[in-house]
Amino acid sequence: GAGVSQSPSNKVTEKGKDVELRCDPISGHTALYWYRQSLGQGLEFLIYFQGNSAPDKSGLPSDRFSAERTGGSVSTLTIQRTQQEDSAVYLCASRRGRNTEAFFGQGTRLTVV
Amino acid sequence: EDQVTQSPEALRLQEGESSSLNCSYTVSGLRGLFWYRQDPGKGPEFLFTLYSAGEEKEKERLKATLTKKESFLHITAPKPEDSATYLCAVQAANSKLTFGKGITLSVRP
Repeated sequence: GAGVSQSPSNKVTEKGKDVELRCDPISGHTALYWYRQSLGQGLEFLIYFQGNSAPDKSGLPSDRFSAERTGGSVSTLTIQRTQQEDSAVYLCASRRGRNTEAFFGQGTRLTVV
Repeated sequence: EDQVTQSPEALRLQEGESSSLNCSYTVSGLRGLFWYRQDPGKGPEFLFTLYSAGEEKEKERLKATLTKKESFLHITAPKPEDSATYLCAVQAANSKLTFGKGITLSVRP
């Protein structure tokens, strides 16, 4: 596709349920990032994938959060046993190379009730 | 730890009133500084990349500059459609992108 695609655009889930958020990066982009943006806050780094290297997971807030990137393309962010504080917009970005600009998707708005 | 501080948090301008947004940073091995625009309910939209002190980039009413400690986004004769949140990010040698909290700009007609 022409841009980074995220799905679903909105997700409402009950506390304690697991959720999966999907990101389709721009074709040919080797790097992929996940960020979380809470209301009125900046972007909080979660995880970074670069090619076939081991991902940088240093931003994942707890072991309930995990992410994978299959075939160097599509990525899935999984949140297990969701809590109300997980409510936020989850943004995915991809970039062609290490020092190039990153392009963002429209985000997935997650609401935990 | 890499840090990005943006100021002011919010800025209200009259249409045509020029101003500047500040982004101060500390980073180990700067590989690039990026400016983004974010409209409500949307993902950030890329504006500029700056790689070294002294570099400048321009696009329409926006001009970004970079020193060794900070970057400025100058807005000349802003219009209401320039209202948005402007985000600054730095990339360290480890390729991590660290963002500031953003500056919410409101331009009144």
